[in-house]
Amino acid sequence: LAKTTQPISMDSYEGQEVNITCSHNNIATNDYITWYQQFPSQGPRFIIQGYKTKVTNEVASLFIPADRKSSTLSLPRVSLSDTAVYYCLVFGSSNTGKLIFGQGTTLQVKP
Amino acid sequence: GAGVSQSPRYKVAKRGQDVALRCDPISGHVSLFWYQQALGQGPEFLTYFQNEAQLDKSGLPSDRFFAERPEGSVSTLKIQRTQQEDSAVYLCASSYLAGGAGEQYFGPGTRLTVT
Repeated sequence: LAKTTQPISMDSYEGQEVNITCSHNNIATNDYITWYQQFPSQGPRFIIQGYKTKVTNEVASLFIPADRKSSTLSLPRVSLSDTAVYYCLVFGSSNTGKLIFGQGTTLQVKP
Repeated sequence: GAGVSQSPRYKVAKRGQDVALRCDPISGHVSLFWYQQALGQGPEFLTYFQNEAQLDKSGLPSDRFFAERPEGSVSTLKIQRTQQEDSAVYLCASSYLAGGAGEQYFGPGTRLTVT
């Protein structure tokens, strides 16, 4: 199973764009890259998933280079309510359904 | 619509007591997962059900942990003879696809404190 590495913490200010990069050097051909967000006292929430190039939804964008060994979650114009832990996961048929979380990146948005 | 619900939200147990944690998944969701989250850590997989079949229990830490989903909907995670190291948040997640396909819907969790 592919291991992911991401920064432990990041700080930002309201209105800025935040980019969180995750490395997954041994990602398999049929693996997808998935990001979750978790607020205190809540369960994780699915944000976005992609396989290659770029995926965008109403919450975030996900950029995946051609070699797929890393990915970047981009949050446009963050607000205080975006303060949370962000998890990068690699998911594929070898996972047999289970999600494997690392420590995640704690994003602190300041006023 | 209703999301995944869990009860109780908080549970305090004395060491050695048995506890039962309930999960109500989203109606119609085939897959159901249990995770354990220690303070400051990411969730760790415990077990997976597809309908009523428990297909993967590789994450259960000991034979004191038991999970069931007898009718393919509500699930119960039971911990026998609780120990202090069992203190954690227990999260339930469900998905409409078999295997989850990466997108799972999580409940708020049950915070278990063993004293």
